[in-house]
Amino acid sequence: GAGVSQSPSNKVTEKGKDVELRCDPISGHTALYWYRQSLGQGLEFLIYFQGNSAPDKSGLPSDRFSAERTGGSVSTLTIQRTQQEDSAVYLCASSLDSGGAEAFFGQGTRLTVV
Amino acid sequence: GENVEQHPSTLSVQEGDSAVIKCTYSDSASNYFPWYKQELGKGPQLIIDIRSNVGEKKDQRIAVTLNKTAKHFSLHITETQPEDSAVYFCAASKGGSYIPTFGRGTSLIVHP
Repeated sequence: GAGVSQSPSNKVTEKGKDVELRCDPISGHTALYWYRQSLGQGLEFLIYFQGNSAPDKSGLPSDRFSAERTGGSVSTLTIQRTQQEDSAVYLCASSLDSGGAEAFFGQGTRLTVV
Repeated sequence: GENVEQHPSTLSVQEGDSAVIKCTYSDSASNYFPWYKQELGKGPQLIIDIRSNVGEKKDQRIAVTLNKTAKHFSLHITETQPEDSAVYFCAASKGGSYIPTFGRGTSLIVHP
């Protein structure tokens, strides 16, 4: 595709429900990142996938958060038992490798927990 | 781990003025420093980057400088225009499997 695609663009959910956020990276990009951006805040790292290596989950804020990347392409970020403090924009990015390569971001998913 | 500080958090300028945003980093092994621009409702987009083997890079009205000794780098925008209004993020990474660390962002407002 032309760029990183995220869906849905907006999600409103009730507190306690589970949500799944999807990211389609640029074809051929081996590195994929999830970040969280709260209102007026910076980019908080959540999780990182690189090729077939075990993901770096060091940024996940609690065990309610998990992510997977199937076939080295599409990634899904799952938040279980959502809380109001989970409300934020969730951004996905991909790059050819990592570190020294440009990261391309999707438009984000705005999650609102009511 | 890496820590990136970014200042100011908000910057307001008149159209035509210059704008400067500064970042510091903590890990001397970092060697790649991208700058991203995020417009309202969109994801961040890379506007310029610099690697540790150069001290300055320019692209039309924007430039980035890097001082490895002091571990700081800056974004300079000249002849600002209203369409430059956005949130700007700096980042630092070490290459390989290291994850970019972002600053907290600077909201730039250019008044016509």
